[in-house]
Amino acid sequence: ETGVTQSPTHLIKTRGQQVTLRCSSQSGHNTVSWYQQALGQGPQFIFQYYREEENGRGNFPPRFSGLQFPNYSSELNVNALELDDSALYLCASGRRSDRGHEQYFGPGTRLTVT
Amino acid sequence: GQQLNQSPQSMFIQEGEDVSMNCTSSSIFNTWLWYKQDPGEGPVLLIALYKAGELTSNGRLTAQFGITRKDSFLNISASIPSDVGIYFCAGPHFGNEKLTFGTGTRLTIIP
Repeated sequence: ETGVTQSPTHLIKTRGQQVTLRCSSQSGHNTVSWYQQALGQGPQFIFQYYREEENGRGNFPPRFSGLQFPNYSSELNVNALELDDSALYLCASGRRSDRGHEQYFGPGTRLTVT
Repeated sequence: GQQLNQSPQSMFIQEGEDVSMNCTSSSIFNTWLWYKQDPGEGPVLLIALYKAGELTSNGRLTAQFGITRKDSFLNISASIPSDVGIYFCAGPHFGNEKLTFGTGTRLTIIP
């Protein structure tokens, strides 16, 4: 068990709605990254936060946004939901250092958009 | 962009067999990570490799960082039922910001 927690576990939303997913990082970690994993594919990087600022972004539109809080917990917000946003959303925490590439994942939030 | 191709896509083996899988890239990586993912759960980090040629073990798992820095290999010895799952290789894109994941190898154990 990594110590990274995510909520909720499952979520069903309607197209056009907005959603907020939450993540609590592992103790001692100061970076948090969000990934989207479609069925049958590997995780795709959305963005990373460090010191409460976005620190790198993947190929996702601006309607995907996030926050990192002083206690290193994080939120992923998605506006104007589309059917293709249905996926497993994974949060991963790490520690900015020489071995900062080691990221530890939470169990994910399964989002279904209908 | 960087792509990581894994082979084989899937493997069907009997319990007790050894398993080998690999990951190749079109560009150089300075770090290779191997993850295992069970259905409906997040990936779990198995092994991290930081140096070309490095060979690292974690129990029955052994991974190697290829000399060319464009590939990596994962071996599992004497497979057991809990080894079932999808194995992903991953590497950082720009510094710490992003991990690029491979296409995955699905391991199934035939009773």
